[in-house]
Amino acid sequence: GENVEQHPSTLSVQEGDSAVIKCTYSDSASNYFPWYKQELGKRPQLIIDIRSNVGEKKDQRIAVTLNKTAKHFSLHITETQPEDSAVYFCAASRDGGTSYGKLTFGQGTILTVHP
Amino acid sequence: DADVTQTPRNRITKTGKRIMLECSQTKGHDRMYWYRQDPGLGLRLIYYSFDVKDINKGEISDGYSVSRQAQAKFSLSLESAIPNQTALYFCATSGHQNRGFTTQYFGPGTRLTVL
Repeated sequence: GENVEQHPSTLSVQEGDSAVIKCTYSDSASNYFPWYKQELGKRPQLIIDIRSNVGEKKDQRIAVTLNKTAKHFSLHITETQPEDSAVYFCAASRDGGTSYGKLTFGQGTILTVHP
Repeated sequence: DADVTQTPRNRITKTGKRIMLECSQTKGHDRMYWYRQDPGLGLRLIYYSFDVKDINKGEISDGYSVSRQAQAKFSLSLESAIPNQTALYFCATSGHQNRGFTTQYFGPGTRLTVL
């Protein structure tokens, strides 16, 4: 089955700096890569996703890049703010067969943005 | 997201007890999932159901069972709880799309402690 590795496990930055979280996946057939944000005591919520036919996607201060050859994808947050502090999870999924719609999550990254 | 609810929100029980966690959704989604979250391990899939008659094991199903009572209800049972099942449990739902890439919406979580 799919295996997703996420790094770093913790990340501390100053407000205004950029933050980058990286994930690698093992199943070359995976073709959908969402990122979820979980604030303290809250449920995970989708913040951005990318499909395998796209190399990069941006939404205001966040962006995701995908390298299918190397089987890795990254989340980039620019101009970080204290409210960006949360746990971030990457995930991977593939279409087709019994894996249809099933996500495999990375271990999570605790991002702390210091004012 | 108030459309996905879980009961109870917190539960403390003793080793050997049978526990049921319930999930309900009003989103009209056909797919439902149960995850457990442990520090440093991310979200791990326990069971998933793509419709009322379809139940599938996830990566950590041992010691758990599920019941899909209706499209809107998906219950997780621990037949004989043990301390290493102490965790935060999330239910999630997603809607069906032709390409299988759908956002998963999480419930608020149930914090379970097994003494």
